[in-house]
Amino acid sequence: AQTVTQSQPEMSVQEAETVTLSCTYDTSENNYYLFWYKQPPSRQMILVIRQEAYKQQNATENRFSVNFQKAAKSFSLKISDSQLGDTAMYFCAFMKFDMDDMRFGAGTRLTVKP
Amino acid sequence: NAGVTQTPKFRVLKTGQSMTLLCAQDMNHEYMYWYRQDPGMGLRLIHYSVGEGTTAKGEVPDGYNVSRLKKQNFLLGLESAAPSQTSVYFCASSVGHYSGNTIYFGEGSWLTVV
Repeated sequence: AQTVTQSQPEMSVQEAETVTLSCTYDTSENNYYLFWYKQPPSRQMILVIRQEAYKQQNATENRFSVNFQKAAKSFSLKISDSQLGDTAMYFCAFMKFDMDDMRFGAGTRLTVKP
Repeated sequence: NAGVTQTPKFRVLKTGQSMTLLCAQDMNHEYMYWYRQDPGMGLRLIHYSVGEGTTAKGEVPDGYNVSRLKKQNFLLGLESAAPSQTSVYFCASSVGHYSGNTIYFGEGSWLTVV
């Protein structure tokens, strides 16, 4: 079974600074997808960024980027120029290429301080 | 621009009562999912469906039943609610395999069993 581990229950960062959230996963699969989801206080799940395991290039979405290390089974999220609106729970998630469900980590609560 | 809609958003049940959570999506997605979210545990898959008339068990299916009579709707039932089922429930949908597997979530339903 696939497992996803987020070792940082809580983190904080000053506004405009950069923060990195960690995620590791365990799988024997070669093809899969990795995701970072943001969950603000409204509790809605919002997709932040997605990475296909067969792609060597790290995904980037505006201020959000990932460091995908396939051999190390590591998938960290970097948030640059942090904004107050980035305050939320962040979940790392894994999905096998041919599977029907997504496995989530326990989440990291990020607080951006003014 | 509805996306994934869940009803009700809040509900309090007494132990032993039954209820149904309704999920509706207007994106013509084949795949639909029910997750529960408990503190410190991220999201866990209860049941899912890969098309109209199909259902399958996820990671934590016990105590729940589901039905997918129409493509756009996915119902989650609790036949005899227990305090352990107090949680936030998320419905989600996706196009399906080989689509990038992006899952779209509803806003959540808060269920308290007393």
